[in-house]
Amino acid sequence: TQLLEQSPQFLSIQEGENLTVYCNSSSVFSSLQWYRQEPGEGPVLLVTVVTGGEVKKLKRLTFQFGDARKDSSLHITAAQPGDTGLYLCAGGGYNQGGKLIFGQGTELSVKP
Amino acid sequence: NAGVTQTPKFQVLKTGQSMTLQCAQDMNHEYMSWYRQDPGMGLRLIHYSVGAGITDQGEVPNGYNVSRSTTEDFPLRLLSAAPSQTSVYFCASSYRRVEQFFGPGTRLTVL
Repeated sequence: TQLLEQSPQFLSIQEGENLTVYCNSSSVFSSLQWYRQEPGEGPVLLVTVVTGGEVKKLKRLTFQFGDARKDSSLHITAAQPGDTGLYLCAGGGYNQGGKLIFGQGTELSVKP
Repeated sequence: NAGVTQTPKFQVLKTGQSMTLQCAQDMNHEYMSWYRQDPGMGLRLIHYSVGAGITDQGEVPNGYNVSRSTTEDFPLRLLSAAPSQTSVYFCASSYRRVEQFFGPGTRLTVL
């Protein structure tokens, strides 16, 4: 079974702090996505990274794909209460038979 | 454009009952899939389809059946519900197979 390990699983911080979430695997992925999920709703796609070493920015969120395409990170600068939610990484590609493999998620709580 | 819709939103079943979770999308996506989400386990793929008439098993297919007679619809059938199938079920569709658009989910409890 191919695994995507996310860390930390839970994160509780104060508004204004910075944080990083990690997504690691021993498998190579053709692409990696980050999703955000709010309670009672389905995950929503934030970003897709496809090139080793790629960095993408989405306002205060910075996403990086590892050089070997086995890992990724999500960095949030100056977190706000609206960032609260479950963050999921997911990898896919030829090695996964075209299917998407999800990490177990990081539950983020940002307190005002 | 409704995206991906799922019904019902909540369901309670007794052990041994059967039911169908409905999923529909209006984006003309070929690829559709069903996931279950359990605490601390992320999303696990149950079944998926790459087009009308074509389905395949995912990571946790036992106890579930699917069919895909049209591009728009992808129902998930629970044949004989068990407490282990208590979960939140998400249907998703995709144009490029990896970037998924998710429905709002069905929360299922099996007593």
